[in-house]
Amino acid sequence: KAGVTQTPRYLIKTRGQQVTLSCSPISGHRSVSWYQQTPGQGLQFLFEYFSETQRNKGNFPGRFSGRQFSNSRSEMNVSTLELGDSALYLCASSPRDTSPYEQYFGPGTRLTVT
Amino acid sequence: AQRVTQPEKLLSVFKGAPVELKCNYSYSGSPELFWYVQYSRQRLQLLLRHISRESIKGFTADLNKGETSFHLKKPFAQEEDSAMYYCALRRGNTPLVFGKGTRLSVIA
Repeated sequence: KAGVTQTPRYLIKTRGQQVTLSCSPISGHRSVSWYQQTPGQGLQFLFEYFSETQRNKGNFPGRFSGRQFSNSRSEMNVSTLELGDSALYLCASSPRDTSPYEQYFGPGTRLTVT
Repeated sequence: AQRVTQPEKLLSVFKGAPVELKCNYSYSGSPELFWYVQYSRQRLQLLLRHISRESIKGFTADLNKGETSFHLKKPFAQEEDSAMYYCALRRGNTPLVFGKGTRLSVIA
């Protein structure tokens, strides 16, 4: 099976712009989660989708949003970019939302805001 | 709120020496606990989870509910074990909560 894929892999944006990141989960996986990874804060949860519904949301401002499509592919959007949004954004998919729980991570999208 | 603490940012050991990566959590119930590993230029991947009581690549981790710990151990470190290790916790259907990670460096 192909792994989780994320596009684009690298992105450079300027402050005030918006950005959309895409994630394709492993075939058959219905749960997709997004994380922000930075050297200072480590991995911080953004949101989780299951069957097109947002199930959980992390403690991020409303500028961060996401959605999931009927084919389980997911996108996250960040509007009005700030310098502090520079990070590696990881997507992870899971075959189920119950125990045993296992997430499969994508390679990430490296976002740089200048 | 659940919290996962990995007290060491960096741990350096010599090849062949025992390794223990510490993880403490704050949650009074029965969480699911995991160790994830990220090798250089590779994606984050699951190493092991406490419910499986498995040994992967020679690593084991025992859940100690009394001490709320889930330390990762390996009797003899190898150079290929050098990586970033993250401890994570999950309760019910809540998202995974990760510690800030420990970078393990195995010196030849």
